[in-house]
Amino acid sequence: KNEVEQSPQNLTAQEGEFITINCSYSVGISALHWLQQHPGGGIVSLFMLSSGKKKHGRLIATINIQEKHSSLHITASHPRDSAVYICAVRAGDSNYQLIWGAGTKLIIKP
Amino acid sequence: GAGVSQTPSNKVTEKGKYVELRCDPISGHTALYWYRQSLGQGPEFLIYFQGTGAADDSGLPNDRFFAVRPEGSVSTLKIQRTERGDSAVYLCASSLTGVGSEAFFGQGTRLTVV
Repeated sequence: KNEVEQSPQNLTAQEGEFITINCSYSVGISALHWLQQHPGGGIVSLFMLSSGKKKHGRLIATINIQEKHSSLHITASHPRDSAVYICAVRAGDSNYQLIWGAGTKLIIKP
Repeated sequence: GAGVSQTPSNKVTEKGKYVELRCDPISGHTALYWYRQSLGQGPEFLIYFQGTGAADDSGLPNDRFFAVRPEGSVSTLKIQRTERGDSAVYLCASSLTGVGSEAFFGQGTRLTVV
């Protein structure tokens, strides 16, 4: 069983839909990252969370430490949001290494 | 520039050759990380620098891989006697302190060994 699991693996939605991507982890963590990777592009850090909720524009990230679960939400989705979204956790006992989820490939159709 | 810069963006080399990949972190960031991402997989940790020293090089796959950061800013990942299996995107990231601080990633260097 992977230490970081994301769901769904693939998601296709229409422009304007509310998107939710989930991340569950099984290790103790000091922080959780949500990152975005475009095809052929580098990785962009969206959020780093250790508790609660963060919002940036149309993106919202939440984390529940007790349940070891985080969600990334996109409101009013747009085709330019199409990318792979990756959840990565910084393990509590080795806080410079990231344990990566497999990613969620999101396609937003116009 | 304001972000993490990696050069070259693409590198094609012949099997057996030596390559160097460069990472310019965000100014003032003391922590620097190298990751490798093979096709269809998540990034794999290679090495972590805190300042000039390699705090953790446990992710380097073998002794053909070596990385330096002599002045605590720019880092170079060096691969000797390249093999086709080394083909991947090599990602560099930096963070302000390395402890609880957010990592910022470069665009990566796509290495193809033919």
